[in-house]
Amino acid sequence: AAGVIQSPRHLIKEKRETATLKCYPIPRHDTVYWYQQGPGQDPQFLISFYEKMQSDKGSIPDRFSAQQFSDYHSELNMSSLELGDSALYFCASVLAGGREDTQYFGPGTRLTVL
Amino acid sequence: DAKTTQPNSMESNEEEPVHLPCNHSTISGTDYIHWYRQLPSQGPEYVIHGLTSNVNNRMASLAIAEDRKSSTLILHRATLRDAAVYYCILRDLGDNYGQNFVFGPGTRLSVLP
Repeated sequence: AAGVIQSPRHLIKEKRETATLKCYPIPRHDTVYWYQQGPGQDPQFLISFYEKMQSDKGSIPDRFSAQQFSDYHSELNMSSLELGDSALYFCASVLAGGREDTQYFGPGTRLTVL
Repeated sequence: DAKTTQPNSMESNEEEPVHLPCNHSTISGTDYIHWYRQLPSQGPEYVIHGLTSNVNNRMASLAIAEDRKSSTLILHRATLRDAAVYYCILRDLGDNYGQNFVFGPGTRLSVLP
C-alpha cells in the first residue's frame, strides 16, 4: 500500500539559509500535519492543512511557512535557519471526515543546520 | 485534548506479554483512545484505537476500563522490534479535520532478550 512520502530524507544547511521540505500524502488523503521532533524530544505539532486550507497551528516559528497544493501535497518552507531548527520533521496524512482519525506518518526529513 | 499520563519507562522480557497503562481521568464521552508507537529514528506508527469496547488487531489489544478513565495497551508477546516509545492520545471524534494532535510524554519500552 502507498505510504506517505517525504523528501528529501536528509538535508544539511548553514545558518541563515532556507530549506523546503516536501510531503506527499497517501492518495485520497486530504489532510496533512507537520511535526518537529528535536533530539530526545516528543514530536511537536507545527501546522496542519485540510483541503488546502490551514486548519490548525501549533508552535511554528514565524520564519516557517507551509501550504498545501491542489494535488494535496504540502511543503514546509523554513527561512533564516537557526541551529535549533536541527530536528526530524515528520508529516502525516489523514482522510478527514471519516469515523477514523488514524494519522499515517512519513519517514521524516532529518534537517541539520550547521 | 484531554490529558493522559503514562509511566516514563517499562521493561519486558522477550516473548512475554506487556501491559502498558494510560490514565485519562478527564476523558470526554466522544474521545477516542489512540495508541501510537515510535521506533528509533522512525515516524510514529499507529497501533490501535478504541472508544468503549476492548479492541484487538494483529499488533496489539486495547483494554478500556468500564469508566473509560484508564486503558491498557497489551502486547501479547513482546519482541525486540517492539522496543519503542508508546504514546496514548485522546482524540475527539470531531477532531479529524486537521486539529492539533498532541504527543507525549509516552512510555519508553525496553525489551530484554
